[in-house]
Amino acid sequence: GQSLEQPSEVTAVEGAIVQINCTYQTSGFYGLSWYQQHDGGAPTFLSYNALDGLEETGRFSSFLSRSDSYGYLLLQELQMKDSASYFCAVGTGGYNKLIFGAGTRLAVHP
Amino acid sequence: GAVVSQHPSRVICKSGTSVKIECRSLDFQATTMFWYRQFPKQSLMLMATSNEGSKATYEQGVEKDKFLINHASLTLSTLTVTSAHPEDSSFYICSATTESTSYEQYFGPGTRLTVT
Repeated sequence: GQSLEQPSEVTAVEGAIVQINCTYQTSGFYGLSWYQQHDGGAPTFLSYNALDGLEETGRFSSFLSRSDSYGYLLLQELQMKDSASYFCAVGTGGYNKLIFGAGTRLAVHP
Repeated sequence: GAVVSQHPSRVICKSGTSVKIECRSLDFQATTMFWYRQFPKQSLMLMATSNEGSKATYEQGVEKDKFLINHASLTLSTLTVTSAHPEDSSFYICSATTESTSYEQYFGPGTRLTVT
């Protein structure tokens, strides 16, 4: 089967750094993506890793280790608006379809 | 750029009726569109993958006769929930990709379906 594991909830304070881990087991792998979704809203793309290493985009960074089937999303200088659900997703199969993890709810407090 | 719209945003229907949801890419041509279902505070479950002019590919466990998908053009895909029942009540979200950025999916705002 195909599975992605990520923590269900994370709590942090403004200005802090948070790392959300994701481990995956899938039958195919094109890359690992991260999406952010606010309550009632649409998921929005944050980052994508096809190769091992760190990708940095502003306050957000994402890491991938294909040999460990592991990745993480690092959020720095947390702001209240970062409170949302974060999903890791593996691109697999035809047309690079995405299989999503269960999501991590991040709550940022003052 | 890369805006995807969905219509309607919310719909309430009676059990046994059919509901059509439209997904449009507004400023780009979508080579592939995807349909997802999401229950409250849960993950996105992929229902099907569709390409313009060809039959949709359904994920295991998704009834293709119940969830009809039509991808009429490079900017429009529709999902019809036929003979809806209360258990079909959910948040339905579509997404689209372009040929040049197939790894990034652009999501629509979703459609909240309530079947009474």
